[in-house]
Amino acid sequence: NAGVTQTPKFRILKIGQSMTLQCTQDMNHNYMYWYRQDPGMGLKLIYYSVGAGITDKGEVPNGYNVSRSTTEDFPLRLELAAPSQTSVYFCASSPRLAGGNEQFFGPGTRLTVL
Amino acid sequence: ELKVEQNPLFLSMQEGKNYTIYCNYSTTSDRLYWYRQDPGKSLESLFVLLSNGAVKQEGRLMASLDTKARLSTLHITAAVHDLSATYFCAVDGGSARQLTFGSGTQLTVLP
Repeated sequence: NAGVTQTPKFRILKIGQSMTLQCTQDMNHNYMYWYRQDPGMGLKLIYYSVGAGITDKGEVPNGYNVSRSTTEDFPLRLELAAPSQTSVYFCASSPRLAGGNEQFFGPGTRLTVL
Repeated sequence: ELKVEQNPLFLSMQEGKNYTIYCNYSTTSDRLYWYRQDPGKSLESLFVLLSNGAVKQEGRLMASLDTKARLSTLHITAAVHDLSATYFCAVDGGSARQLTFGSGTQLTVLP
């Protein structure tokens, strides 16, 4: 199993450009998440999904969009990039277990908006 | 709103010493997770604590959960340099299995 994979690893955007961060998991997990991590900080939840076709906002959704057409994929779309979106983005997935929500993280995408 | 506080935020300790990292949270939960993050890397799951009184140990690290006190501790025994990393606790708030993360404790183990 590859686990959770993310592409690209690094990206530099100009203000106003758009891009999609890709996330794929091969563990058949129903739950998937997008977080951002600013330097020296913890993780903040952007969007999450409890299954294909179902998404919902997290703590910091403004400026982002997501879709979940399959169990495996959960892309994050940035529209009109702004310097405040400079961050490291992590995708995570979790199995649907009766107890516990251990999340498994991808390697991250480091995004710089100039 | 669930709040998670870790302390200390920064910790320098000498090899061979013991220390404890604390994780306090603001609302009822009996599910707490500890993660490790090396510089420039992703988060690696260390411990899953799913009930009051749960204790897990792996090598020089031991984590415990007291749900009545809303407190988890990560105890480091006889620290070694390889333990240098940032440690996060995360609390399951219940809704759609969302996790709320603490700010992290940056641990540096000095020779």
